[in-house]
Amino acid sequence: GDSVTQMEGPVTLSEEAFLTINCTYTATGYPSLFWYVQYPGEGLQLLLKATKADDKGSNKGFEATYRKETTSFHLEKGSVQVSDSAVYFCALTPMNRDDKIIFGKGTRLHILP
Amino acid sequence: DAGVTQSPTHLIKTRGQQVTLRCSPKSGHDTVSWYQQALGQGPQFIFQYYEEEERQRGNFPDRFSGHQFPNYSSELNVNALLLGDSALYLCASSLDRTSYEQYFGPGTRLTVT
Repeated sequence: GDSVTQMEGPVTLSEEAFLTINCTYTATGYPSLFWYVQYPGEGLQLLLKATKADDKGSNKGFEATYRKETTSFHLEKGSVQVSDSAVYFCALTPMNRDDKIIFGKGTRLHILP
Repeated sequence: DAGVTQSPTHLIKTRGQQVTLRCSPKSGHDTVSWYQQALGQGPQFIFQYYEEEERQRGNFPDRFSGHQFPNYSSELNVNALLLGDSALYLCASSLDRTSYEQYFGPGTRLTVT
């Protein structure tokens, strides 16, 4: 079945460092891909999305590109801030648009001042 | 505009008991999905409600049931609670069944002792 695999955390970086969180997926056809963020004590928030191959999603300085050839959707940010500390989930919805979201296990990010 | 709201925030139950969790979708949304997020894991899809009917279901036993009301709010019921049911239960709403963009509530933390 469809699945998402993302790098295990925790990931600890200093403020202003470059961030990459790897995500690969297994799915039939062309799923829609997402990154969600969960701040401490809050619900999941959609961070960015891409719905077709080569699309780049971006928001709040974060970017991810839908790579069909490598089945990847890696999350990147050029300069992280302490406020970016959270848990990040890579996710997909299957091509048949049955609307359920399949999540990865999440990557906890700690940013040190 | 209120987002997705859930109640209660926290709940402690004993094995074998039954529990009901509640969710109000974002204004204008008519589709509600429920997810279970175990500690350190990504959310797992339980089921989705649209037009007061269960439309999709994940790999959860019949002990998990739900309901959607005419005002689109929803309940999740879990019978015969097991220790393994301890988790954060998330409700998400979307504009309609064809929308892949889901908005999540803050969740209900259920502890089964």
